[in-house]
Amino acid sequence: GESVGLHLPTLSVQEGDNSIINCAYSNSASDYFIWYKQESGKGPQFIIDIRSNMDKRQGQRVTVLLNKTVKHLSLQIAATQPGDSAVYFCAENMKGGSQGNLIFGKGTKLSVKP
Amino acid sequence: NAGVTQTPKFQVLKTGQSMTLQCAQDMNHNSMYWYRQDPGMGLRLIYYSASEGTTDKGEVPNGYNVSRLNKREFSLRLESAAPSQTSVYFCASSPEMNTEAFFGQGTRLTVV
Repeated sequence: GESVGLHLPTLSVQEGDNSIINCAYSNSASDYFIWYKQESGKGPQFIIDIRSNMDKRQGQRVTVLLNKTVKHLSLQIAATQPGDSAVYFCAENMKGGSQGNLIFGKGTKLSVKP
Repeated sequence: NAGVTQTPKFQVLKTGQSMTLQCAQDMNHNSMYWYRQDPGMGLRLIYYSASEGTTDKGEVPNGYNVSRLNKREFSLRLESAAPSQTSVYFCASSPEMNTEAFFGQGTRLTVV
């Protein structure tokens, strides 16, 4: 089976509840952030992004909050469904950074109980 | 729309063998990337190509080479595979650098 989920922080929620997944990013110069969802055996899928000139952005059932003071990012999922079960990654990009692109966190596994 | 297509999906290599992982995107994106994903390590950037004709090293380039064949295609080559290269490899593309990246389905590579 898929080994991506091993050794990951896990969040377990009841179907219908709201989920909050947290991420601490590393670089105060990062100016672009993305949340990805990865289901077992699949590639990461874009959920929502936010730039550093904003502190909140809403999508369909999802909200991303950015706190630059403490370098913290969170993803809120409303009315969590079984189909939301996956590993969630935050990613940051530093403007002009030599890495060239997104630096990913290690992920959080969301498990939704029916 | 196919999006980002990677081949093969699975591969087993013996130590010392070489192989090329293929990636193609049909979204007319300028930038393409290769990542590897290991348990507990998240996704780490191997190489990227900001635009056709350019390639640059990422976080973990050792043991790999890349070719941006044209705007659509970006291949990753392992010249002499090692067990430490056992991983899941993802190709991704984005319209430009510092924008949303779209990922392929991954190649699961095992080196024995």
